[in-house]
Amino acid sequence: QVQLQQSGAELAKPGASVKMSCKASGYTFTNYWMHWVKQRPGQGLEWIGYINPSTDYTEYNQKFKDKATLTADKSSSTAYMQLNSLTSEDSAVYYCTRGVLFAYWGQGTLVTVSA
Amino acid sequence: DIVMTQAAPSVPVTPGESVSISCRSSKSLLHSNGNTYLYWFLQRPGQSPQLLIYRMSNLASGVPDRFSGSGSGTAFTLRISRVEAEDVGVYYCMQHLEYPFTFGGGTKLEIK
Repeated sequence: QVQLQQSGAELAKPGASVKMSCKASGYTFTNYWMHWVKQRPGQGLEWIGYINPSTDYTEYNQKFKDKATLTADKSSSTAYMQLNSLTSEDSAVYYCTRGVLFAYWGQGTLVTVSA
Repeated sequence: DIVMTQAAPSVPVTPGESVSISCRSSKSLLHSNGNTYLYWFLQRPGQSPQLLIYRMSNLASGVPDRFSGSGSGTAFTLRISRVEAEDVGVYYCMQHLEYPFTFGGGTKLEIK
């Protein structure tokens, strides 16, 4: 069955970077784009962007273009998102979700930015 | 960016009754190919979002047929018939007509 297993919670200092992962299983990794979505505590959902793991093509929400970097490793069927220059505004749960239908979601990675 | 608006932050409902949740877009989501690029998701407490409806009116796999979606190019409705306790959570609409994809603010379904 399709599974997206995300890496564990991160605690980071302001100005630092974090890199989280989303390991896919149960399907051919390169056949589906991987999208990333942000959810701040008690808030709604924001689309960050996606990566095509087959070509490494990325599309970003302009709001996150200087914040997030999406990559993918075909050999391990894992998608990554790095967040740079962290501020308190980046404290959130980040989800990966598969394909154009957003039919499968990871469990989320909680990022807490605190001095 | 296309703005998605869910006017009702919450909607109370009695189990067994029906409820409609509304969503509006600032631009028509009707593509020239005839598809309307609107999703509905449910996020139960403490869980990841779950796809309910895609392309405005298509039921996602495994979703009970108590859920249905309808609408026009800019006004959309998710209808839940015979509401059950497990339907509690926040419902989000999302447009995927153009980048950046954007979500509505969510409507919380509460059981009376």
